[in-house]
Amino acid sequence: QQQVKQSPQSLIVQKGGISIINCAYENTAFDYFPWYQQFPGKGPALLIAIRPDVSEKKEGRFTISFNKSAKQFSLHIMDSQPGDSATYFCAASLYNFNKFYFGSGTKLNVKP
Amino acid sequence: KAGVTQTPRYLIKTRGQQVTLSCSPISGHRSVSWYQQTPGQGLQFLFEYFSETQRNKGNFPGRFSGRQFSNSRSEMNVSTLELGDSALYLCASSLVTGEAGELFFGEGSRLTVL
Repeated sequence: QQQVKQSPQSLIVQKGGISIINCAYENTAFDYFPWYQQFPGKGPALLIAIRPDVSEKKEGRFTISFNKSAKQFSLHIMDSQPGDSATYFCAASLYNFNKFYFGSGTKLNVKP
Repeated sequence: KAGVTQTPRYLIKTRGQQVTLSCSPISGHRSVSWYQQTPGQGLQFLFEYFSETQRNKGNFPGRFSGRQFSNSRSEMNVSTLELGDSALYLCASSLVTGEAGELFFGEGSRLTVL
């Protein structure tokens, strides 16, 4: 059973547009939700993370929206740039465990 | 500060062989985790080591094993390789365990099984 489901699988956005990636999780005990960004040939790198005690977290152009009742969270990339073109992974874990369940990834292509 | 270093970066093996992958974490990081990345399954957790002890384990068969040395360097071993083991194996280090936080990933070891 996939613990974290991510959509869409791929996304094409024009420069300056908003990119939205969605994730849903199964385990209500999860309490830490990071997003990772991966460029080709590189390992994933932490972009932004949230805990369920807040509904939104913003860092620059990147925002996580969190809906605890729906067991869903999403990444919004405002003013998307060609340099944002990468694969994005959502993840979830129990805060006291260093074991993460990752979504299947979204390949974002920002057109200039 | 040097990042996570994984060796080898690429390797080709045949079915039935075994392989050992190595990971050197960021200096001062004591937790090392391993993930398998495939196009179909995404990133899947293999195991985590902290202070030479396995702390968490994923749902992989016993052919997948690992260990950590006193200097925090880690190795993972896959025995009796199968075609389905072809994947990018990522190592990630973090400062501590028992507290979910930032994982620092290496660039991975790409294993191809023929």
